[in-house]
Amino acid sequence: GQSLEQPSEVTAVEGAIVQINCTYQTSGFYGLSWYQQHDGGAPTFLSYNALDGLEETGRFSSFLSRSDSYGYLLLQELQMKDSASYFCAVPTPMNRDDKIIFGKGTRLHILP
Amino acid sequence: NAGVTQTPKFQVLKTGQSMTLQCAQDMNHNSMYWYRQDPGMGLRLIYYSASEGTTDKGEVPNGYNVSRLNKREFSLRLESAAPSQTSVYFCASRAGGHYEQYFGPGTRLTVT
Repeated sequence: GQSLEQPSEVTAVEGAIVQINCTYQTSGFYGLSWYQQHDGGAPTFLSYNALDGLEETGRFSSFLSRSDSYGYLLLQELQMKDSASYFCAVPTPMNRDDKIIFGKGTRLHILP
Repeated sequence: NAGVTQTPKFQVLKTGQSMTLQCAQDMNHNSMYWYRQDPGMGLRLIYYSASEGTTDKGEVPNGYNVSRLNKREFSLRLESAAPSQTSVYFCASRAGGHYEQYFGPGTRLTVT
């Protein structure tokens, strides 16, 4: 089976840096994705890591350690608009069991 | 290019009523998904379709049926609605060989 664990809530201050962790247990692992969801909105894709290391996209970075079954999303220079829920997700490849399992999400609160 | 569209946006049903949630995508994606989202539970997969003509159960399929009408459309049917099916329902699609899912705006369903 597959399961993902992430903190339910994280609080940070505007302008600071915050890290949202995700640990996973999977029967087969191909990569880790991150999604953002604002209140009342739909999830939107942020990043995907297939290999170990850090991937940077603007203020957001995502890290993966396959040996530790662990990844994190790093948000820098926090802005109030970053207040949202963040989900890690594990996809399976298209030619096999074609589905994506999501963690329960981390609610990010940003204080002014 | 509308992406993923869902209808209706809101619906209120009485226990025992039936209804179909519609989803369509114009990105020529092979795979389509139905999720439900409840507070604190993240996104749970109901059914998915890896290609036209195929459907498979996800984590929480009981009480639902699906139809992959063609490559564009994937509908979700509640035959006899129950209060436990009160939720926000998201449809998503993804292209072959890619790990990014595109989500529709969601349908907010209340069963009384």
